[in-house]
Amino acid sequence: GQQLNQSPQSMFIQEGEDVSMNCTSSSIFNTWLWYKQDPGEGPVLLIALYKAGELTSNGRLTAQFGITRKDSFLNISASIPSDVGIYFCAGRVTGGGNKLTFGTGTQLKVEL
Amino acid sequence: GAGVSQSPSNKVTEKGKDVELRCDPISGHTALYWYRQSLGQGLEFLIYFQGNSAPDKSGLPSDRFSAERTGGSVSTLTIQRTQQEDSAVYLCASSRDGSTDTQYFGPGTRLTVL
Repeated sequence: GQQLNQSPQSMFIQEGEDVSMNCTSSSIFNTWLWYKQDPGEGPVLLIALYKAGELTSNGRLTAQFGITRKDSFLNISASIPSDVGIYFCAGRVTGGGNKLTFGTGTQLKVEL
Repeated sequence: GAGVSQSPSNKVTEKGKDVELRCDPISGHTALYWYRQSLGQGLEFLIYFQGNSAPDKSGLPSDRFSAERTGGSVSTLTIQRTQQEDSAVYLCASSRDGSTDTQYFGPGTRLTVL
């Protein structure tokens, strides 16, 4: 099935650094979502974006819905060890039910 | 229960055998979804149930895969004549309704086909 292109594939950063990752698609989505998955767990929703150009924050996380509706960005400021995990973007189209198309994931590792 | 539960947590089977994976959604959630996550990959949509409507089966990879949802609650994903490429983590999610509501995921069932 289709998957969104997500980059980088993995990141190894120092604690306290800011992190950026992005997600691109060849098709338009009406909703962009960002999830985090810890080992052995299911993904947990971090941020949801519903309008092109929207910029939304959740604590140290900030995400943007691209103007073209074909991309989205997630930024994490001042990373901490518990930020470790895999981050997935997901898109949803109007009229497609609530099924999601997921990105390939960005694995984040934080060095103390 | 407090969240979505899945069983078993791990399943090892031999090629050619049938397997059944179970999902218990959050009580009161009318929508239920199955996804598959292969090693190092994102989640791939399989099937979606919403209330009494016919399920959206557009993501099922072959006719060996089927799912049912009894009584609008528990769901079972069945894979017949398993193949090695079926090895993956199978994740179930539920949402309060099927529009734009947040999907809550279970911990998944890790299936290994030898």
